[in-house]
Amino acid sequence: DIQMTQSPSSLSASVGDRVTITCRASQGISNFLAWYQQKPGKVPKLLIYAASTLQSGVPSRFSGSGSGTDFTLTISSLQPEDVATYYCQKYNSAPWTFGQGTKVEIK
Amino acid sequence: EVQLAESGGGLIQPGGSLRLSCAASGFTVSSNYMNWVRQAPGKGLEWVSVIYSGGSTYYADSVKGRFTISRDNSKNTLYLQLNSLRAEDTAVYYCARGGRSGSGSGYFDYWGQGTLVTVSS
Repeated sequence: DIQMTQSPSSLSASVGDRVTITCRASQGISNFLAWYQQKPGKVPKLLIYAASTLQSGVPSRFSGSGSGTDFTLTISSLQPEDVATYYCQKYNSAPWTFGQGTKVEIK
Repeated sequence: EVQLAESGGGLIQPGGSLRLSCAASGFTVSSNYMNWVRQAPGKGLEWVSVIYSGGSTYYADSVKGRFTISRDNSKNTLYLQLNSLRAEDTAVYYCARGGRSGSGSGYFDYWGQGTLVTVSS
């Protein structure tokens, strides 16, 4: 099965900073990659699918890129409400697999 | 408006069984990929199972042979039968609808609030 590895596991940044999270697949998955945000105590929320397509209603400061095995989620200007854990997920074929998560905090 | 509402969680002894339900509204369950995703306390997300619109089913290795996903089209409801439960199955179980785009349906665009399953003696 394909494994998904995120880095870093956690990060601390200042409000307004540009934040980048990476996700690497152990085999190529084309662009079948989604990103989710989970705030503390809340249900996960879809941010991006097809590696770079922003889900309706998601702020434009979030963006995704990549194809094949290497992907990135970028927050262009970190806001206090972005404190959360972020997960990537591959869905080229079952079994779907999540990365282990990246916890984002405010410095 | 799309809504998903799980029920059926609770405290169960190791080796026991439980059936989770996910009542859907605002869309037709049988026309979508429908999934179960779980999250152990303080841990990350783990995909559990999917049922395709055509009826095919797939499972994570960790639950294969013990869990069964199904749906009742007349009730527009998704189910997960959990058998031979272990302590490591303790988690919040979410049902999640598969996305609908030209780039695949294996991502999750709507999630329920989750139901907690605790396996303990």
